[in-house]
Amino acid sequence: SQQGEEDPQALSIQEGENATMNCSYKTSINNLQWYRQNSGRGLVHLILIRSNEREKHSGRLRVTLDTSKKSSSLLITASRAADTASYFCATDAGRTDKLIFGTGTRLQVFP
Amino acid sequence: DAGITQSPRYKITETGRQVTLMCHQTWSHSYMFWYRQDLGHGLRLIYYSAAADITDKGEVPDGYVVSRSKTENFPLTLESATRSQTSVYFCASSWEREDYEQYFGPGTRLTVT
Repeated sequence: SQQGEEDPQALSIQEGENATMNCSYKTSINNLQWYRQNSGRGLVHLILIRSNEREKHSGRLRVTLDTSKKSSSLLITASRAADTASYFCATDAGRTDKLIFGTGTRLQVFP
Repeated sequence: DAGITQSPRYKITETGRQVTLMCHQTWSHSYMFWYRQDLGHGLRLIYYSAAADITDKGEVPDGYVVSRSKTENFPLTLESATRSQTSVYFCASSWEREDYEQYFGPGTRLTVT
């Protein structure tokens, strides 16, 4: 079963709007990562946030982590058509060698 | 070129045949991973390797075999392909276990008829 579950499953917005995706997970973690997947391509790492961090920024991306609620959110500000992709959260489920991925949020940004 | 590559990119095979998917990385990353991606399931880990000659099972290892004789290569073999193994397969690699990000290959789309 998935460690992470993204919400919503799909999101459609206009260019310039902000997009927020959420991820919930089940067990304690050391870090949580977000990845993007363009159609027909491999995943690309976006950002990693450690369990002792609450917020992290990278360009137009803002990630928050609430370990008490076992949840994270990814905010993309001023979205562009090129942001159209699927976004996945991944957790390490504690001290393991592995990442466990959620089922993803499909983001469609209309020009 | 540096990076992680997979071959073939597309493969159609028949039920019962053996198929090997190749993965090659040029970074000398310690860890390598094989995932399958299916609609509604996201990415599921099949096998992973922490170093040459060290492999371990992931979430869905049945029907698959891996080996890692060299750091840069991590082939995945379907010993007797079944229709349920029709999927997109991704190979990934990372430097270390701690605070790692994974680098993904472009994927292999496998169809078993």
